[in-house]
Amino acid sequence: SQQGEEDPQALSIQEGENATMNCSYKTSINNLQWYRQNSGRGLVHLILIRSNEREKHSGRLRVTLDTSKKSSSLLITASRAADTASYFCATDEGTGANNLFFGTGTRLTVIP
Amino acid sequence: DTEVTQTPKHLVMGMTNKKSLKCEQHMGHRAMYWYKQKAKKPPELMFVYSYEKLSINESVPSRFSPECPNSSLLNLHLHALQPEDSALYLCASSQDPWASDGYTFGSGTRLTVV
Repeated sequence: SQQGEEDPQALSIQEGENATMNCSYKTSINNLQWYRQNSGRGLVHLILIRSNEREKHSGRLRVTLDTSKKSSSLLITASRAADTASYFCATDEGTGANNLFFGTGTRLTVIP
Repeated sequence: DTEVTQTPKHLVMGMTNKKSLKCEQHMGHRAMYWYKQKAKKPPELMFVYSYEKLSINESVPSRFSPECPNSSLLNLHLHALQPEDSALYLCASSQDPWASDGYTFGSGTRLTVV
């Protein structure tokens, strides 16, 4: 099943600008993860935030989680052309097991 | 070794063929996964192996048959596929099926059924 929806579906920004992507989900979760996928390649794990956390940082990435609204956001600061990729949120749907179900994804294009 | 290796990278097969996709990891991960991804869509979970045992089969047709010969290796056997099965097949692993950690993905096998 697929429970996450991401917004926007596509985002185009200039290099140096910040990019914000949002994810909404339907069921309770134990954690939410963000992944990046370059065209036609495998996914790369970016960051994991647990249900009892509200914000997490990793380098230029900032993730927030609002369990009351069942939503998360991923902020990439000072974007680079190399950040061009699709970004997916993924949750375990509260199963307690590490089985991930992915959202619809946001296609980010960073223009040099 | 921090990688998941998938072979082949590309595969073209006829609807009457039998082929296999292979996935290997040497990180000591005890959970392994198969995902299917159509163009411009998110990955869809197909199978989950926990400690070499099949724990989840997300209503996948029997023409897809997974196998986990040992803790490092995961295969996906393909038989009598349809053109709509053409997709990117991704393998992933995680340290433990209950650890709630991130996945390590392979680069995928691009499958075309003709």
